[in-house]
Amino acid sequence: DAKTTQPPSMDCAEGRAANLPCNHSTISGNEYVYWYRQIHSQGPQYIIHGLKNNETNEMASLIITEDRKSSTLILPHATLRDTAVYYCIVRFRMDSSYKLIFGSGTRLLVRP
Amino acid sequence: DGGITQSPKYLFRKEGQNVTLSCEQNLNHDAMYWYRQDPGQGLRLIYYSQIVNDFQKGDIAEGYSVSREKKESFPLTVTSAQKNPTAFYLCASSIDPPTGVKDTQYFGPGTRLTVL
Repeated sequence: DAKTTQPPSMDCAEGRAANLPCNHSTISGNEYVYWYRQIHSQGPQYIIHGLKNNETNEMASLIITEDRKSSTLILPHATLRDTAVYYCIVRFRMDSSYKLIFGSGTRLLVRP
Repeated sequence: DGGITQSPKYLFRKEGQNVTLSCEQNLNHDAMYWYRQDPGQGLRLIYYSQIVNDFQKGDIAEGYSVSREKKESFPLTVTSAQKNPTAFYLCASSIDPPTGVKDTQYFGPGTRLTVL
């Protein structure tokens, strides 16, 4: 089963890019990488997901290495509202069903 | 305005009482999920439902029960058999069941349950 490793905390200055790394060295070929974030006492918010290619949407970009063993979530212009816990998740297959395994995540602090 | 609603936001109960947490979605999603989150921890799956009248246990189903009588509703009952019920409970839904293409999960705002 694939698991992810993230740094427990990071910080960046407001207006700068925030680059959040994630290692998933045991990921298998048909497993996706998902990113969510959770602001204190709220439900997790979906950000982006990808399989092999880099992905971009209105919130962020996801860069996945060619060997798929790691990925980076990029918030191009971080704001104070981006302060949250960011979860990198590999969609894990068990008994023909997929479940999301949430780890401890990275606590991102955006500084004014 | 579509979305997932959970009520109430805060819930207090005495030890030994059963309590039911509400989760409603008007997104026309087939699949729904319940997670539990403890302070400083990630989420753990309690139950999930791929379709009406069907549900499966997650990793920590003991002491919990669910029903899925309607597509838009997936209530969770925390029974007296749950030893440590105080936690933040999150409901989620996805267009497709977990094996589908469109199975990205979207979460509600959560219910914080405190057992006194």
